[in-house]
Amino acid sequence: DAGVIQSPRHEVTEMGQEVTLRCKPISGHDYLFWYRQTMMRGLELLIYFNNNVPIDDSGMPEDRFSAKMPNASFSTLKIQPSEPRDSAVYFCASSLAAGGQFRDIQYFGAGTRLSVL
Amino acid sequence: GQSLEQPSEVTAVEGAIVQINCTYQTSGFYGLSWYQQHDGGAPTFLSYNALDGLEETGRFSSFLSRSDSYGYLLLQELQMKDSASYFCATKSRSNYQLIWGAGTKLIIKP
Repeated sequence: DAGVIQSPRHEVTEMGQEVTLRCKPISGHDYLFWYRQTMMRGLELLIYFNNNVPIDDSGMPEDRFSAKMPNASFSTLKIQPSEPRDSAVYFCASSLAAGGQFRDIQYFGAGTRLSVL
Repeated sequence: GQSLEQPSEVTAVEGAIVQINCTYQTSGFYGLSWYQQHDGGAPTFLSYNALDGLEETGRFSSFLSRSDSYGYLLLQELQMKDSASYFCATKSRSNYQLIWGAGTKLIIKP
């Protein structure tokens, strides 16, 4: 399997612009997670999906952030409008079992490094 | 609430053994996981402990003591490629998703 695939790997944009990050999870995985990582705040869970349905978006920082999963093989994280404080590395991860299962391995994509100028 | 604490940085010598500690506070415990992340890379799963004791995977071992709310990752025969950040994580009681420690940066000197 190719693993979790994210695009783009790097994104540089100007404040106020819309940014769309993309993720293809590992085939057969029924959970998908979006994380944000910064030096100050570490690794933060933004939102996760189970079988394409958003389960918990309490980590989404503001209404400027939105995520969708139209099918089992594709998800997007959108920031509109973007701000300099959104600069971070955004990771997508997928797993085969979560929820009540205590042990689940999350497989991470390579991440998208976002810089908002 | 739930939180995990680990040292921000640990330094060791190539070929040596190093231990990275993790203490946690949880309202319900669902096991302790360890992930490795190289600079510029993504976190990758290393180990998981649900019960007390030692889990060994090659040069890496992970230990858990639930009575002490404490675990550690033990790396033996350190190699330069082990230079990375190491994260402990446990399940959230509210949504069963991982809560992460802040990470320990392991610096290895020749």
